[in-house]
Amino acid sequence: DADVTQTPRNRITKTGKRIMLECSQTKGHDRMYWYRQDPGLGLRLIYYSFDVKDINKGEISDGYSVSRQAQAKFSLSLESAIPNQTALYFCATSDTTGLGETQYFGPGTRLLVL
Amino acid sequence: GQQLNQSPQSMFIQEGEDVSMNCTSSSIFNTWLWYKQDPGEGPVLLIALYKAGELTSNGRLTAQFGITRKDSFLNISASIPSDVGIYFCAGVRGSNYKLTFGKGTLLTVNP
Repeated sequence: DADVTQTPRNRITKTGKRIMLECSQTKGHDRMYWYRQDPGLGLRLIYYSFDVKDINKGEISDGYSVSRQAQAKFSLSLESAIPNQTALYFCATSDTTGLGETQYFGPGTRLLVL
Repeated sequence: GQQLNQSPQSMFIQEGEDVSMNCTSSSIFNTWLWYKQDPGEGPVLLIALYKAGELTSNGRLTAQFGITRKDSFLNISASIPSDVGIYFCAGVRGSNYKLTFGKGTLLTVNP
């Protein structure tokens, strides 16, 4: 079984709709992250959480919100989806091994906003 | 935000050839990570580097953490068709646990 899972893998929605992307991990990591990926722009950080009670904005948090329901679960919501939020979304978890930060990614959710 | 300069943007090579790509920055990083992403999938960690000057191998892949801490390179030896994909570098600065990503190198291997 995959260590980091994301649901759904693909989603088509309409402008103005609220949607939620979910992430679960079995790695036992405290830190979790949400990124979006656009062609030519690489990966950009939306939100991150260092533990259940800690939520932080990333570089592109406008239009998004998150919920850390448990150590293993971190959800991303688009309150009112717009077409320029069409992108590939990745969840990641990290483990500070004592040597340094290492992040592990889920398989991604491909979102299309019409 | 802070960006890493990753080059080349794309490479077209013949099977069996060696490949080299690198990331540079004007800032110092204390961790360098190299990922590979296949179409429709998430990035998969290839190599992690934690010390300046560190040279680490993973099969046919070798990566180095630059002595200045501002750069890193990844080499792939004897490329094969399944090496095709996008390779990303990522760095961590100071005590900040957030990753800064390069824009990726698209590798195409012709059989």
